[in-house]
Amino acid sequence: NAGVTQTPKFQVLKTGQSMTLQCAQDMNHEYMSWYRQDPGMGLRLIHYSVGAGITDQGEVPNGYNVSRSTTEDFPLRLLSAAPSQTSVYFCASSYGDRGSTGELFFGEGSRLTVL
Amino acid sequence: AQSVTQLGSHVSVSEGALVLLRCNYSSSVPPYLFWYVQYPNQGLQLLLKYTTGATLVKGINGFEAEFKKSETSFHLTKPSAHMSDAAEYFCAVRYSSASKIIFGSGTRLSIRP
Repeated sequence: NAGVTQTPKFQVLKTGQSMTLQCAQDMNHEYMSWYRQDPGMGLRLIHYSVGAGITDQGEVPNGYNVSRSTTEDFPLRLLSAAPSQTSVYFCASSYGDRGSTGELFFGEGSRLTVL
Repeated sequence: AQSVTQLGSHVSVSEGALVLLRCNYSSSVPPYLFWYVQYPNQGLQLLLKYTTGATLVKGINGFEAEFKKSETSFHLTKPSAHMSDAAEYFCAVRYSSASKIIFGSGTRLSIRP
């Protein structure tokens, strides 16, 4: 099983550039989410989705867009990168039905540096 | 609002000593509670979880946690620390199997020889 796959693993951007972090899962999970991890701040939720066609904002959504056209994919778009978006980004997914326990499965992370 | 508080950003214990990492959540409704561990330069993996039923839950690597509704706490313990336990630990809360998951700020555990 591939699980949750994130690409790229590393990326360097200049201020103002745009890019998309890709996330794909092969576990048929309804729920997908994006977090950013910064020292001393833990994981902060950026956006999440409870199913195809449904997305919602998390704790720190500004500067990021998402869409969920399929169950498998949940890309995160940075429209105009800023140095404050330098971080490690994690995609995570889980089952979303009432019978599940809701634990998250994480990708390996994407380290983004904005100069 | 949903929130999770982890007391102590850094905890240091001697090898063989008790490990206690604290987690409190804000809610009047019992949530789903999780502890995740992150080893250096790796992603997060599930350590243990509380959903319903028994309030003392056991996880991997000898860790356990107890859900205390009256204290809104879910502290993580291990009787005897091992050098391999050095990592960052995150507490997380979820209010239904389909709702968003919020993490605490993390506690870095160091083990002294």
